[in-house]
Amino acid sequence: GAGVSQTPSNKVTEKGKYVELRCDPISGHTALYWYRQSLGQGPEFLIYFQGTGAADDSGLPNDRFFAVRPEGSVSTLKIQRTERGDSAVYLCASSSTGGTYNEQFFGPGTRLTVL
Amino acid sequence: AQKITQTQPGMFVQEKEAVTLDCTYDTSDQSYGLFWYKQPSSGEMIFLIYQGSYDEQNATEGRYSLNFQKARKSANLVISASQLGDSAMYFCAIGGKLIFGQGTELSVKP
Repeated sequence: GAGVSQTPSNKVTEKGKYVELRCDPISGHTALYWYRQSLGQGPEFLIYFQGTGAADDSGLPNDRFFAVRPEGSVSTLKIQRTERGDSAVYLCASSSTGGTYNEQFFGPGTRLTVL
Repeated sequence: AQKITQTQPGMFVQEKEAVTLDCTYDTSDQSYGLFWYKQPSSGEMIFLIYQGSYDEQNATEGRYSLNFQKARKSANLVISASQLGDSAMYFCAIGGKLIFGQGTELSVKP
């Protein structure tokens, strides 16, 4: 079956603009995660959805970041008033049920560049 | 809070030899899962192997095995018979919401 997909693959924007990043998880996976990976670093957790609800949003850096998953499938990460420090690769992952014991399958990422 | 430490920024190994990538972790949870992921230069994160904290046997997946020493809080990845295609970044993680280490860049020499 299809893996996790993310669109766009690359996004270049100007400082202060609004961006939306989309994630389409593996069909049937109830858990969805967003991570951010800066150059030379490991991914950092942002937010975790179980179904439609955000079960853990403790990794969102500030209130400019927001994510939704209205129908329990596709998720959108929204960043308002982008800053140059937001430049990174944004990774989405899904797993069958979430929790400690399920491997997560990652998408190819969206590379965000804020000029 | 959970933490992963990978102390080897870069490693070299000769093709066909075995290599061990180090990972130590810190957690106050009694039950947890440990993961290893591979990230080639193309950028995708590829799941390699998983170890549960209550698993008595070390996990193995093909050429990958996990040397799990719970008392030492270490979960080292062993790659046997290295191949050129193994050259990549390797990340150890603990989770749930995965907490990753800084990664180790492995280079396999022909």
